[in-house]
Amino acid sequence: GDSVTQMEGPVTLSEEAFLTINCTYTATGYPSLFWYVQYPGEGLQLLLKATKADDKGSNKGFEATYRKETTSFHLEKGSVQVSDSAVYFCALSDQGSSNTGKLIFGQGTTLQVKP
Amino acid sequence: DAGVIQSPRHEVTEMGQEVTLRCKPISGHDYLFWYRQTMMRGLELLIYFNNNVPIDDSGMPEDRFSAKMPNASFSTLKIQPSEPRDSAVYFCASSWDSAISPLHFGNGTRLTVT
Repeated sequence: GDSVTQMEGPVTLSEEAFLTINCTYTATGYPSLFWYVQYPGEGLQLLLKATKADDKGSNKGFEATYRKETTSFHLEKGSVQVSDSAVYFCALSDQGSSNTGKLIFGQGTTLQVKP
Repeated sequence: DAGVIQSPRHEVTEMGQEVTLRCKPISGHDYLFWYRQTMMRGLELLIYFNNNVPIDDSGMPEDRFSAKMPNASFSTLKIQPSEPRDSAVYFCASSWDSAISPLHFGNGTRLTVT
């Protein structure tokens, strides 16, 4: 079945460092890809998305490019801040004929940014 | 819009008791999802509804768990009887469309079963 694999955390960075969180996926259809972020004590919220190959999603300085050839959707940010400390989830949704309407999440990667 | 509203925020109960978690989705959203989050297993989809009808409950752990959506603005997740291994954060989420629109999550209910 469809699945999402993220790099294990925690990822610990100093403020203003470059961030990459790797995400790869397996899917039989034509998925949309998402990054969600979860701050302490809160639910997940959408960070960015891409709906087809070569699309780049971006928001709040974060970017991710939908790479069909490598089945990847890596999250990047050029300069992280302490306020970016959170858990990041990669997810996919199948847009194929089954169109079940559910997301499949990776296991989450904890990011800790130190001042 | 107030977003997805879950209640209670925290629930502490003793093993064997019945627990009911509640969710009010965002108005106009056709899909409602129940997730469970634990350190060991991450985020697990338990069940989801489309237009108040359960579509996929394959993630429901066992018969002790049940979920209902009597109308478009309310859903419940019930555990009876509860067990310590049910301790987790339970999230409700809703979305307008299916595959391409984002999920909007509530802030979750932290359940502790002693």
